[in-house]
Amino acid sequence: LAKTTQPISMDSYEGQEVNITCSHNNIATNDYITWYQQFPSQGPRFIIQGYKTKVTNEVASLFIPADRKSSTLSLPRVSLSDTAVYYCLVGDKAAGNKLTFGGGTRVLVKP
Amino acid sequence: EPEVTQTPSHQVTQMGQEVILRCVPISNHLYFYWYRQILGQKVEFLVSFYNNEISEKSEIFDDQFSVERPDGSNFTLKIRSTKLEDSAMYFCASSRPDRDNSPLHFGNGTRLTVT
Repeated sequence: LAKTTQPISMDSYEGQEVNITCSHNNIATNDYITWYQQFPSQGPRFIIQGYKTKVTNEVASLFIPADRKSSTLSLPRVSLSDTAVYYCLVGDKAAGNKLTFGGGTRVLVKP
Repeated sequence: EPEVTQTPSHQVTQMGQEVILRCVPISNHLYFYWYRQILGQKVEFLVSFYNNEISEKSEIFDDQFSVERPDGSNFTLKIRSTKLEDSAMYFCASSRPDRDNSPLHFGNGTRLTVT
């Protein structure tokens, strides 16, 4: 399984854009990149998933360069409620494999 | 939107007792998982289950643990003889990876406290 590396924490302010970059140097051909959000005492919640280039949904964008060795989650105009831990995971979604969580990035949004 | 539901939300048990944590995965999902998270630590994979059998398990998932899908809707995790270090949040998840964009969907967990 590809190991991921992401910053331990980031601070931001309401209304700003937050970009979290994740490194996954040994990503395999069949691997997808998935980001989850976790609030205290809750289960991880799916945010976005991609394979290459750019993916956008109603909550975030995911940028993946051509070599796929990293990815960047972009949260536009964050609010206080976006304070959470964000996890980058890499795995083969087609095989139903386990996903291995790293330490995640703790994002603190300040007023 | 369909959800994974877990019961109970909080379980307190004495060391050595058996506990069963229950989960109702999303109805058309095919893969089921248990993860745990000790307070302040990472979310750790325990086991995945597909087609009525374990497909993968971690080193944490020893002989004290077992999983079962007793009927068409429930998915359970049993810990036979709980230890203090089993105290954690236990998350159930399900997925349907044969469909595009089908990530793991997690429940909100059962907080297990072993005293």
